Amino acid sequence: DTEVTQTPKHLVMGMTNKKSLKCEQHMGHRAMYWYKQKAKKPPELMFVYSYEKLSINESVPSRFSPECPNSSLLNLHLHALQPEDSALYLCASSQDSLGELFFGEGSRLTVL
Amino acid sequence: GEDVEQSLFLSVREGDSSVINCTYTDSSSTYLYWYKQEPGAGLQLLTYIFSNMDMKQDQRLTVLLNKKDKHLSLRIADTQTGDSAIYFCAERPNQAGTALIFGKGTTLSVSS
Repeated sequence: DTEVTQTPKHLVMGMTNKKSLKCEQHMGHRAMYWYKQKAKKPPELMFVYSYEKLSINESVPSRFSPECPNSSLLNLHLHALQPEDSALYLCASSQDSLGELFFGEGSRLTVL
Repeated sequence: GEDVEQSLFLSVREGDSSVINCTYTDSSSTYLYWYKQEPGAGLQLLTYIFSNMDMKQDQRLTVLLNKKDKHLSLRIADTQTGDSAIYFCAERPNQAGTALIFGKGTTLSVSS
């Protein structure tokens, strides 16, 4: 199994909603990542978890809250988002903090 | 500062070779990557090269690395319409606790 699975694939939410994006991998990888990608732009790093501990937070607003319940799962909790937060949110994992990244297909978020 | 540069667009005819170029800045990077992103999809790891190599070939793909000039290229032989996508070059600085640094991406358009 070489897949990173993200759900949901599409999400539409209002600015007062609370929702979560989920990511799962079963490759035994110990580093997991959230990236945000706007159309025709490169992915921008948001968070890195290494061995289930948050190791990088790229000054992301607190309306985005990551959670790593175990080594296979990574969540991104969303609350009080703004329309400019609409983007493709990509999850990735790697063997360790220096290995190549494998990406999921992304969750496309629209904030109304 | 850290920066990965790529030309933004490349247009080729089906059957021709495509060459996508990239320059990177961190000489400590141990791995350099090429990712492919089709419209509406996540990033697919195409290939990577270790920094002590000059060349890596994988079927239609050839990666050339000039470490002295910090220049990386991806050659796609016999380009097909299915190769139309955005190609991202990425470097991985050799420091634990860092993540991939992406270029802005090269949009490859293949005409039949």
